[in-house]
Amino acid sequence: DQQVKQNSPSLSVQEGRISILNCDYTNSMFDYFLWYKKYPAEGPTFLISISSIKDKNEDGRFTVFLNKSAKHLSLHIVPSQPGDSAVYFCAAIKTGANNLFFGTGTRLTVIP
Amino acid sequence: NAGVTQTPKFQVLKTGQSMTLQCAQDMNHNSMYWYRQDPGMGLRLIYYSASEGTTDKGEVPNGYNVSRLNKREFSLRLESAAPSQTSVYFCASSEVPSGSSYNEQFFGPGTRLTVL
Repeated sequence: DQQVKQNSPSLSVQEGRISILNCDYTNSMFDYFLWYKKYPAEGPTFLISISSIKDKNEDGRFTVFLNKSAKHLSLHIVPSQPGDSAVYFCAAIKTGANNLFFGTGTRLTVIP
Repeated sequence: NAGVTQTPKFQVLKTGQSMTLQCAQDMNHNSMYWYRQDPGMGLRLIYYSASEGTTDKGEVPNGYNVSRLNKREFSLRLESAAPSQTSVYFCASSEVPSGSSYNEQFFGPGTRLTVL
């Protein structure tokens, strides 16, 4: 039973435009959410996170939005760059737990 | 700093063979984790070690054993490999002990295992 879902396996955007990656979760106990970026043949690397007490967190070109009532979060990348082309994983965890639940990933391709 | 290192990078086994995947981190982290990544499934936690001397099962522990050798090293053992264990295995570490809300994990490059 997938508790964190990324329903779009792939996304293509033009360089300079906005990329929006979406993530849904089913477990209302999750209170911390993370985005990881993964290049081929490498491990995932942490990108940005958000606590459930916030609805937005921004770090440079990356912004994560959280809608708790809809159990939905999204990652916005503005402007998108070719180097952003990677697989993006959404992850969620409950405070005090060790089990980080990952979505299935979205492959972003930024076209020059 | 090398971060999280894993050996080997690739391995092919026959059904029934055993092997140990090695993981080491040089960030002085308390917690270490083993995940597997399968197509269409995302990463799933196999085992974790919240601190040196402790290990606990994750979401998919069957067929695996782990050893937290010291604070730096956390190994994953397949006693009798099965084709269903064909996967990419990632080790991760975190500086935050169990009980905290913040759990950024740092990942190794992965081991691609094929069981024939």
